[in-house]
Amino acid sequence: KAGVTQTPRYLIKTRGQQVTLSCSPISGHRSVSWYQQTPGQGLQFLFEYFSETQRNKGNFPGRFSGRQFSNSRSEMNVSTLELGDSALYLCASTKTGGPLVETQYFGPGTRLLVL
Amino acid sequence: KQEVTQIPAALSVPEGENLVLNCSFTDSAIYNLQWFRQDPGKGLTSLLLIQSSQREQTSGRLNASLDKSSGRSTLYIAASQPGDSATYLCAVIAGANNLFFGTGTRLTVIP
Repeated sequence: KAGVTQTPRYLIKTRGQQVTLSCSPISGHRSVSWYQQTPGQGLQFLFEYFSETQRNKGNFPGRFSGRQFSNSRSEMNVSTLELGDSALYLCASTKTGGPLVETQYFGPGTRLLVL
Repeated sequence: KQEVTQIPAALSVPEGENLVLNCSFTDSAIYNLQWFRQDPGKGLTSLLLIQSSQREQTSGRLNASLDKSSGRSTLYIAASQPGDSATYLCAVIAGANNLFFGTGTRLTVIP
């Protein structure tokens, strides 16, 4: 069974631009969560989507948004990029329960560099 | 705000030793606690999930305990192997369904 895939793996953008990251969960998994990892702040939870609806949300500004499609694939968008948005963005999937109650399966991440 | 601390930040042990990683959190009103390992270039792997009503969980050579009242969890690794070398992270689920991660413990098991 294929694992969680994330595209692209690496991305370079400049301040003020926007970026869209993609995550395809394990087949049959309907919950997708997103995380940001930086050296300064560590790993932080962004949000979780289930059945095309945002079910849980961390403490991030509105510049960070996401969506989920009917096939459970999810995208994350960051608008008006700032230097501090440079990070490794991870997504994870679970069957239905989400990151709060089920074992998560993580993708390899997308490394974003904002110049 | 929930704060999660992991001590030590780094640990080196010879192969075969049993070891304990610590995780402490400031707000005991948590839903559950999870342990992960992170390998460079290989992403994050979920290890154990302990529900708030449970005291411990075991998987192979790993055993995680949870003491909500004292705000602490420990991850016990038995008979450590070089393949156990990684960064170990704990996370608590609290507040409005948010996950709070610790700072991690970087473990090196020396052959």
